[in-house]
Amino acid sequence: AQTVTQSQPEMSVQEAETVTLSCTYDTSESDYYLFWYKQPPSRQMILVIRQEAYKQQNATENRFSVNFQKAAKSFSLKISDSQLGDAAMYFCPANNNDMRFGAGTRLTVKP
Amino acid sequence: EADIYQTPRYLVIGTGKKITLECSQTMGHDKMYWYQQDPGMELHLIHYSYGVNSTEKGDLSSESTVSRIRTEHFPLTLESARPSHTSQYLCASSEPGFSYEQYFGPGTRLTVT
Repeated sequence: AQTVTQSQPEMSVQEAETVTLSCTYDTSESDYYLFWYKQPPSRQMILVIRQEAYKQQNATENRFSVNFQKAAKSFSLKISDSQLGDAAMYFCPANNNDMRFGAGTRLTVKP
Repeated sequence: EADIYQTPRYLVIGTGKKITLECSQTMGHDKMYWYQQDPGMELHLIHYSYGVNSTEKGDLSSESTVSRIRTEHFPLTLESARPSHTSQYLCASSEPGFSYEQYFGPGTRLTVT
């Protein structure tokens, strides 16, 4: 099974600014996927972005991009041009048949 | 939004009652999951299923049970609710294979008095 660590319980960003959320993971598996999920207050958890461990190119989805450092087992999420709707809990599970979620990072966006 | 539903959304019950939390999905996903999450905290996997007639316990010890008689339905039952069961319960489903994302339901917020 995988374990993930999100060392930033809370982060804050000014609207329109850029913020990076950190995530490290530990796995003995050779093939796996990494995900960032977003859980807005009182709303459903949704997928933000995913990265296959075999791909060296970092995934990008509009304002969201990742910095995947496989050797360091690091998988950070960068949010550019932050919007009020980005305020949420963010989770970064790793998956090789067993998805495990860490403690999450609460992101606040200041207007 | 994903086609996965949970009922009830909110439930307040007394200690000792038996309750069943419902979860249904219309996507034909084989894998389904139950998580327990205190507000603003991490998710703990309590049960999962690979398909019909398959149920497995997760990481968090739970006094709940699950069943999977139909692909689309994965109910969770507490035989005797206690105040320590007060939490949010999230249901999710996914295609088999670890490349696939999980789709989450809206959750059931349970309060046991």
